[in-house]
Amino acid sequence: QVRLKESGPRLVQPSQTLSVTCTVSGFSVTSYHVSWVRQPPGKGLEWVGAIWKGGSTDYNSALKSRLSISRDTSKNQVFLKMNSLQTDDTGTYYCAKHYNNYYFDYWGQGVMVTVSS
Amino acid sequence: DIQMTQSPHSLSASLGETVSIECLASEGISNYLAWYQQKPGKSPQLLIYYASSLQDGVPSRFSGSGSGTQYSLKISNMQPEDEGVYYCQQGYKYPYTFGAGTKLELK
Repeated sequence: QVRLKESGPRLVQPSQTLSVTCTVSGFSVTSYHVSWVRQPPGKGLEWVGAIWKGGSTDYNSALKSRLSISRDTSKNQVFLKMNSLQTDDTGTYYCAKHYNNYYFDYWGQGVMVTVSS
Repeated sequence: DIQMTQSPHSLSASLGETVSIECLASEGISNYLAWYQQKPGKSPQLLIYYASSLQDGVPSRFSGSGSGTQYSLKISNMQPEDEGVYYCQQGYKYPYTFGAGTKLELK
C-alpha cells in the first residue's frame, strides 16, 4: 500500500530554515519521482520542486535560491529544506508521488508549518 | 510560467445536476492537464489526467475534455460527496502550475 508521511516542525521563526522529511512506503523513491507541493491557509496549491527517480532535482524558479530537495534511498525518504523563511511561507507542505511523470496520484497528509516569531 | 485560469471561482449544484468547471492555460499544454478534488482538511485527490483519462477508482460521473489551452471538468449527477474544491494542474512545463481552485457546494 502506497503511503507518504511528512514530518517536521510546526513552528519556524522568520529567517530560519525549514526542514521537512517525507517517509514513503509501498514504492521506492528510486522508481518514482516525488514532488513537494505547498498550500497557504485558505489558498491554492503551489508546486515547490521535485526529485526525480534518478536523483536529479527541479525547483520552482520563484523558490530556487532558497530550496534544496534531497533523498536517502536506504530509508526511502525525501527531504525538503528551505532557508530564509518569511511569513508568506506559512502553509501546509505536502509530498506527493508522481504518476506518469506529470501528475500526482498519492499525497501525504501534509504538515502545517507556521512562520512566526 | 504557464498561468492556469479557472472558472467559476465557486458554484452550487443540486443533487443530480450536471456541472462544469473550466480551466484556461496561458499557452498550449498539449493535454498535459490534470484535475484534483480537495476536501476540507484533506490532501488533493487525482481525478483526471491527460485531460480526459479517468484515474482508477474515480466514479465515471467525472469526465474531462479539452485541448490546446482550454479544458473542462464535468461532473454528472451531482452527489453530496462531490462537495469540495477542484483544481486543474498543467504538467507540460516546469514549474508545474495549478489553477486557483473552484469551490463546489451542494445546493
